[in-house]
Amino acid sequence: DVKVTQSSRYLVKRTGEKVFLECVQDMDHENMFWYRQDPGLGLRLIYFSYDVKMKEKGDIPEGYSVSREKKERFSLILESASTNQTSMYLCASSFQGLGSYEQYFGPGTRLTVT
Amino acid sequence: AQSVTQPDIHITVSEGASLELRCNYSYGATPYLFWYVQSPGQGLQLLLKYFSGDTLVQGIKGFEAEFKRSQSSFNLRKPSVHWSDAAEYFCAVVWYSGGGADGLTFGKGTHLIIQP
Repeated sequence: DVKVTQSSRYLVKRTGEKVFLECVQDMDHENMFWYRQDPGLGLRLIYFSYDVKMKEKGDIPEGYSVSREKKERFSLILESASTNQTSMYLCASSFQGLGSYEQYFGPGTRLTVT
Repeated sequence: AQSVTQPDIHITVSEGASLELRCNYSYGATPYLFWYVQSPGQGLQLLLKYFSGDTLVQGIKGFEAEFKRSQSSFNLRKPSVHWSDAAEYFCAVVWYSGGGADGLTFGKGTHLIIQP
């Protein structure tokens, strides 16, 4: 089974702190994604990566950055956390190539910024 | 902009009754369609997907969905719901662009409540 793990299920941080959310997948997937999920808004794409050291902005990249130094690991960084970044963050991964758009999701990290 | 619409925010169904959850997407040449389910406190689990071929697809847990290109719809159905089906359901679409990676565009979700 594909496994996508996220470093924390729950996280509480203070405004202005630098926050790292880590995601690891064990299926040698090329593509990795970060989404945030908010009630009534569904999931929105923050950033994605199709290769090591490559990244692309999604729909809502403001206030976030990412890092992908190894194929299996994709980190989401909040440079200076703000209260409007309180949310559920979901990581996903997928194979690359035609017809391989199925994404596998991690359990999510619920981040609270106070 | 490309979009996905799930018109029902909440749906209440009696246990044993049939279910249909609606999903419409904005027009695109080659959509790939998915339904995911999220139980409370859990990540998203894939129920089923449509890439090509037979427009009626079967998924896990007794769910099926039908792709109707003329209506830009991909509705999810189940003939008889169980209390364990209570969850949040998300329709998602990616439009093939020839590239190797594209993020999914999600609907806002439908919260399914099962009445005993």
